[in-house]
Amino acid sequence: DGGITQSPKYLFRKEGQNVTLSCEQNLNHDAMYWYRQDPGQGLRLIYYSQIVNDFQKGDIAEGYSVSREKKESFPLTVTSAQKNPTAFYLCASSMGGWITEAFFGQGTRLTVV
Amino acid sequence: GENVEQHPSTLSVQEGDSAVIKCTYSDSASNYFPWYKQELGKRPQLIIDIRSNVGEKKDQRIAVTLNKTAKHFSLHITETQPEDSAVYFCAATHTGSARQLTFGSGTQLTVLP
Repeated sequence: DGGITQSPKYLFRKEGQNVTLSCEQNLNHDAMYWYRQDPGQGLRLIYYSQIVNDFQKGDIAEGYSVSREKKESFPLTVTSAQKNPTAFYLCASSMGGWITEAFFGQGTRLTVV
Repeated sequence: GENVEQHPSTLSVQEGDSAVIKCTYSDSASNYFPWYKQELGKRPQLIIDIRSNVGEKKDQRIAVTLNKTAKHFSLHITETQPEDSAVYFCAATHTGSARQLTFGSGTQLTVLP
């Protein structure tokens, strides 16, 4: 049960603070993604990256930032500009290109206190 | 961009009965349609997928059908068991798309003993 690992599993943040969620994969996948999951709203794309040192905004990028300095790592920072950050965050990876199956991490539940 | 709608949002069936979940998509260029199952507190996992060059695919008790003309696809689960209880997500994309998958809003399936 591995390949793509998110940490921590639970995270608490005070209002006004930035927090970084970790995502690491050892699947040698080129593409990585961050999704936000809210009840009744499915999985919404925050950011995605097809290659090292390159990433694009998804549908709900405001208040978030990412980096892709290494193929294995795609950390997500939830900034104080994100108005409603409490949610379940899922990282995923795929081979990219014509291979489309996505493999998910176990998720991080972020709660603003 | 792609838009995927999923119905119903909740579905309860008696053990042994069949369950059907339906999705529609908007982008006629989409050609890959996976279904993910997410058990409570766990990561989404691919259970079956279909590409636009086929109309139906089966894997034991689950099947997926695709109607390209109408732009809709469905998940069929026969002889349901309590362990089928989970949230099911449909998704759509076209292979080669950098954005990867657009997800439906999910269906909470409950199999009653």
